[in-house]
Amino acid sequence: ETGVTQTPRHLVMGMTNKKSLKCEQHLGHNAMYWYKQSAKKPLELMFVYSLEERVENNSVPSRFSPECPNSSHLFLHLHTLQPEDSALYLCASSQVLGDEQYFGPGTRLTVT
Amino acid sequence: GENVEQHPSTLSVQEGDSAVIKCTYSDSASNYFPWYKQELGKRPQLIIDIRSNVGEKKDQRIAVTLNKTAKHFSLHITETQPEDSAVYFCAASIQWYDMRFGAGTRLTVKP
Repeated sequence: ETGVTQTPRHLVMGMTNKKSLKCEQHLGHNAMYWYKQSAKKPLELMFVYSLEERVENNSVPSRFSPECPNSSHLFLHLHTLQPEDSALYLCASSQVLGDEQYFGPGTRLTVT
Repeated sequence: GENVEQHPSTLSVQEGDSAVIKCTYSDSASNYFPWYKQELGKRPQLIIDIRSNVGEKKDQRIAVTLNKTAKHFSLHITETQPEDSAVYFCAASIQWYDMRFGAGTRLTVKP
C-alpha cells in the first residue's frame, strides 16, 4: 500500500536531539492524525488536523509539536524527548473527520 | 474523559469456532465505536464500526453489537480462519479528537 507513507521507518535519537517525523498521504484526504502505540497504551490519539487546522490535541506534552503545512503532509517535531517516549508513531488520514481512517506503516522511535 | 476497557486480552479459538471480544466505555455521550484489526508488524485497519443510533451491524463473518444502556459493545467473528489471527482494538468517541482505545485483544486461531 502506498496511500499513506511515513519517514523515517526507524529512528534512534538522544534526549537532547531534535528530529521530525514525516507523513504524506496520496489519497486526497482532508483530515490527518498522529497516534502513539506503545506497550503501556496500545493505541493513543495524539493530534487531529482537518483542512490543515488542528482540531484538538489530547494533552500531549509540548516536546511533541505537530505541523500540517498542507492537506497532504503532516509532521511531528520532536525535541528533548524522554526514554518513555519510545514507541511506534502512526499517522492516519481520512476523507473528512469521521470517515474511515487509513494508517501509515509507522515510525519506530527509540529514545536513548 | 472517556475510559475504554477491553476483554479478554488474549483469546485462542479453534478454526471454525466463533470469537467474541467485549468492550465497555464510561461516557454515555460516546456515539461512535470502531473496531480495528492489526496483524503482526502491520498497520491498524478498520474492520467495522457502529454508531449509537444502531444496535447491531454485520459484515459477512463480522458483527458488532452495542448496548447503550449497559455501555458496552462487542465484536463477533464467526467461522474463524487462521488469517483472523491479529490484535483487535475497540474504540469509543464523542468527537473525533477524543477517541479512546481499548488495550487490545490478541486473537489466535488454531488450524
